Amino acid sequence: SQQGEEDPQALSIQEGENATMNCSYKTSINNLQWYRQNSGRGLVHLILIRSNEREKHSGRLRVTLDTSKKSSSLLITASRAADTASYFCATDAGLTGGGNKLTFGTGTQLKVEL
Amino acid sequence: GAGVSQTPSNKVTEKGKYVELRCDPISGHTALYWYRQSLGQGPEFLIYFQGTGAADDSGLPNDRFFAVRPEGSVSTLKIQRTERGDSAVYLCASSQPGVAGNSYEQYFGPGTRLTVT
Repeated sequence: SQQGEEDPQALSIQEGENATMNCSYKTSINNLQWYRQNSGRGLVHLILIRSNEREKHSGRLRVTLDTSKKSSSLLITASRAADTASYFCATDAGLTGGGNKLTFGTGTQLKVEL
Repeated sequence: GAGVSQTPSNKVTEKGKYVELRCDPISGHTALYWYRQSLGQGPEFLIYFQGTGAADDSGLPNDRFFAVRPEGSVSTLKIQRTERGDSAVYLCASSQPGVAGNSYEQYFGPGTRLTVT
């Protein structure tokens, strides 16, 4: 079952604009991760934010986490056409065996137009 | 270095047939995961291996699904008596050895698109 939901489901912007995607989840987490997926195939890890962190930056990406509201947001600044992809948040509650079972949201399809 | 590879990239099979999907993780990654992604959805966890053993198989939908990793590297996901509802992209991911309470980036393969007709 899906842990969370992304909002919006689809987003279309012009190159150079900022894109904001939101993610809500339901249960307690160790951390939350954002992934990007092109053409419905392999996912690429973008950023990980731990449950005790509130904000994290990586290049043009900014992620926030509000554990009291069980929500996170991903901001992509100065978007480019190459940012066109689906973006997923994934929560990690940890496994007793030391692994990380990721529970993904439903994704936001971002389209950046020239 | 080489990333996670999966073969075949596409598999079309008839309902009722048996299929095997293969995953080659990144060398040195002892943690290996299988996920299934249906159209328009996010990936859903199937099974997790730490080394050779399946540490968590709670995501396998039923007993037609089975996965092995006999030497702690390559893994094979096996599906018996395939059904049309099994059609999806099957993704494999690997990561560094995990420590309880810590998290590591998972590196995903390109997936195998399974179509059951």
